[in-house]
Amino acid sequence: GQQLNQSPQSMFIQEGEDVSMNCTSSSIFNTWLWYKQDPGEGPVLLIALYKAGELTSNGRLTAQFGTTRKDSFLNISASIPSDVGIYFCAGHDLSGDKIIFGKGTRLHILP
Amino acid sequence: DAEITQSPRHKITETGRQVTLACHQTWNHNNMFWYRQDLGHGLRLIHYSYGVQDTNKGEVSDGYSVSRSNTEDLPLTLESAASSQTSVYFCATSDPGGTGELFFGEGSRLTVL
Repeated sequence: GQQLNQSPQSMFIQEGEDVSMNCTSSSIFNTWLWYKQDPGEGPVLLIALYKAGELTSNGRLTAQFGTTRKDSFLNISASIPSDVGIYFCAGHDLSGDKIIFGKGTRLHILP
Repeated sequence: DAEITQSPRHKITETGRQVTLACHQTWNHNNMFWYRQDLGHGLRLIHYSYGVQDTNKGEVSDGYSVSRSNTEDLPLTLESAASSQTSVYFCATSDPGGTGELFFGEGSRLTVL
């Protein structure tokens, strides 16, 4: 089946640092999505990407849809404590209406 | 505001018992999904439904079943709970043909002893 490889699995950074994470797929998706999950809650959509090459920003977050349609990255600039959580990439399955998730990147911010 | 309600939020049960996790949505979305979240595995799709009377197996469907008798509800049943089914379960919905965005419930934490 389709797989998403998300990296890194976890990150430990200082407050104020920039963060970069990415996702690659074995197959093509027509939509890439980035979610964030806070402790004890369900994931919430951060950014959605619909076209190959698309670069989209949401505040300090920037995400890009790779030109091959098999990858995407998410950058967070000037991290703050509330950025702590798990970030998931997800792809919208071309053959149906399913969303496939990566395994997540757990972001820790050191005091 | 539209929402997704999962119940119970926490449950402890014993191996072999039948367990049902409820999911109720007021988004009026046709698409509903059940995922399980485990450390090291992320979110894995268990079952999904595109509408009333429609159900489909996801990548980890063994030991689980769902039924869709109306638009609002997609209960997830574990016929005979196993310790390997200890997990956090999330229900989600999406609008067919829309952006693909999933709206998640707050999760149900199940422990099977």
